[in-house]
Amino acid sequence: QKEVEQNSGPLSVPEGAIASLNCTYSDRGSQSFFWYRQYSGKSPELIMSIYSNGDKEDGRFTAQLNKASQYVSLLIRDSQPSDSATYLCAVIPGGGADGLTFGKGTHLIIQP
Amino acid sequence: DAGITQSPRHKVTETGTPVTLRCHQTENHRYMYWYRQDPGHGLRLIHYSYGVKDTDKGEVSDGYSVSRSKTEDFLLTLESATSSQTSVYFCAISESQGRQYFGPGTRLTVT
Repeated sequence: QKEVEQNSGPLSVPEGAIASLNCTYSDRGSQSFFWYRQYSGKSPELIMSIYSNGDKEDGRFTAQLNKASQYVSLLIRDSQPSDSATYLCAVIPGGGADGLTFGKGTHLIIQP
Repeated sequence: DAGITQSPRHKVTETGTPVTLRCHQTENHRYMYWYRQDPGHGLRLIHYSYGVKDTDKGEVSDGYSVSRSKTEDFLLTLESATSSQTSVYFCAISESQGRQYFGPGTRLTVT
């Protein structure tokens, strides 16, 4: 069973602080990793993708990948109340075309 | 926003009836996917397509069938709906086996 694990939260972070979201995956052959944001009652929205070890920055978001530890993280700098949402980690397992395997998501609350 | 629409957006149906959900894209992407999202389970892959008439099963395909006769349309059919198929169904598209973009979802209730 290929699994993606996330802490369900809620994770409460003060406005302006850094929010740190973590994800581990079981399939060592996985090559592609994604973070989605989902507001309540809405569809998942892709915010970051990462394919190689290290950091990838896009605006206030930084994705970090460590394949040796099978660990992906998302940092949100200068957190805003509008960042309050559920964040889904997703992985394409090794072997290709099976679609995404999702974690159950972390509920993030940014406190004004 | 990626050009993806789903219809219907909401549906209530009775146990045992057939149901078809439609996903339509205007992006000409090769790959299309159907997921369901349930509390406590997250998003799970039902079926996917890698081209016209080319489909394959995902993690939770039992009780579902799909068809793709045109690049832009991917249909999900519940042959005989059951209460366990009450869920929110999302379609997604991808240009390659990578970034996927999701449609607005269909909330299905089976009574």
